[in-house]
Amino acid sequence: GIQVEQSPPDLILQEGANSTLRCNFSDSVNNLQWFHQNPWGQLINLFYIPSGTKQNGRLSATTVATERYSLLYISSSQTTDSGVYFCAVYSGGGADGLTFGKGTHLIIQP
Amino acid sequence: DAGVTQSPTHLIKTRGQQVTLRCSPISGHKSVSWYQQVLGQGPQFIFQYYEKEERGRGNFPDRFSARQFPNYSSELNVNALLLGDSALYLCASSFEAVREQYFGPGTRLTVT
Repeated sequence: GIQVEQSPPDLILQEGANSTLRCNFSDSVNNLQWFHQNPWGQLINLFYIPSGTKQNGRLSATTVATERYSLLYISSSQTTDSGVYFCAVYSGGGADGLTFGKGTHLIIQP
Repeated sequence: DAGVTQSPTHLIKTRGQQVTLRCSPISGHKSVSWYQQVLGQGPQFIFQYYEKEERGRGNFPDRFSARQFPNYSSELNVNALLLGDSALYLCASSFEAVREQYFGPGTRLTVT
């Protein structure tokens, strides 16, 4: 099946800093989503971005499908940005669900 | 609009018992998927249902089963519980099988 690798696994930053999270995948995808998991386990949708670039406030994402990677940018980090960020892909065929990476654990220090 | 809802929130069971978890999708969504997330890992796909039919199954034993009802809600059943089944079980809904998925708050299952 498709493989999803996220980097870095852990990231500690000061409030106000910018960060880039990367997601590499091993095959073509029909769906790519970025999630933020809060301390209570809720997965919050950030972007649905199988290709192209999207922005939502301080967050933006770019997926280059031909090169099989996606990037999540967080600017002017706030302590509330802390948590685990997951990339998940859907490789198509209708027979599989989302395949998740292992996540990037982000800690924003005041 | 209400999001995806799951019940119960928490559950404690004993090895060998059976458990049923419930999920109600976002209104208008026809696809429901189930995922298992153990501590420190990303969610793992268990089942996907679309229009009340199983569309996909992950690498889980036959002790795991699911169904989708005419109103598109879904149940996940796990028989003969093992300690390793302790996890957060997440339900997701989408309008169609390959579209953006929205997750519920999860059911945290502890098997003792």
